[in-house]
Amino acid sequence: EDKVVQSPLSLVVHEGDTVTLNCSYEVTNFRSLLWYKQEKKAPTFLFMLTSSGIEKKSGRLSSILDKKELFSILNITATQTGDSAVYLCAVRGSQGNLIFGKGTKLSVKP
Amino acid sequence: DAGVTQSPTHLIKTRGQQVTLRCSPKSGHDTVSWYQQALGQGPQFIFQYYEEEERQRGNFPDRFSGHQFPNYSSELNVNALLLGDSALYLCASSLGRGLNQPQHFGDGTRLSIL
Repeated sequence: EDKVVQSPLSLVVHEGDTVTLNCSYEVTNFRSLLWYKQEKKAPTFLFMLTSSGIEKKSGRLSSILDKKELFSILNITATQTGDSAVYLCAVRGSQGNLIFGKGTKLSVKP
Repeated sequence: DAGVTQSPTHLIKTRGQQVTLRCSPKSGHDTVSWYQQALGQGPQFIFQYYEEEERQRGNFPDRFSGHQFPNYSSELNVNALLLGDSALYLCASSLGRGLNQPQHFGDGTRLSIL
C-alpha cells in the first residue's frame, strides 16, 4: 500500500532558527513529490521534485529529493512567525493522484 | 487570474441527509480532483474528473459521487451522511490530469454532521 510518512508531526522553534522537515515514502511507480504549506484553509504549492539530488529553492525555503533512499527534506532558514503552518508532503504515483502524509505542524515563536 | 473557488464555505447537515459541494477550477485548468481532510490528518483522495468522466477513484464508498460540467467545474455529492463524513473537503485543479504538474487547491468546504 502506498504511504507517506512525515516527521516530526509538530515542531516549535524561535524566530531565526533553521528547521528541517522530513518526508519518507513508499509508492508504486513514483512520478513526483510535492510540498505544500497549509495555514487556515487551502494548501498552497511550494515545490515539486522529480529528479534525485537536485535542490529546489525559493527564498528561505529549499527542498531536495533522494529517490534511492525514498525521502525528501524541506529546509526553512531564518524562520519567521509567518512560517507557522502545517507543511504537507505528497507523492504522486503512476495514477496521478496525490498521496499525502499527515503533515508537520510548525510553530515559530517570536 | 481566478484561483480555485469552492462553495459553500461552511455547511451543517444531519445524519442521513445528502449534500452537494461545488468547485470552479483555476482559469485554464481542465481537471478537478476532490480530497477529504479530517482534523489533524493529511488530505485523502476521493476522485478525479477529466473530460467530464471520473478517471480515478480513491478508497471511498459509492455514497460519494461527482460530476464535471463542460465548463470544467465540478460537484461532489455525498448521500446518507454519517458523522464520520465531517471534514474539510478540498478541490484541486490542474491541467491535463496534472500528471507532471502541481495541483492547486481551493479553500475548501467545512462540512459538519450533527
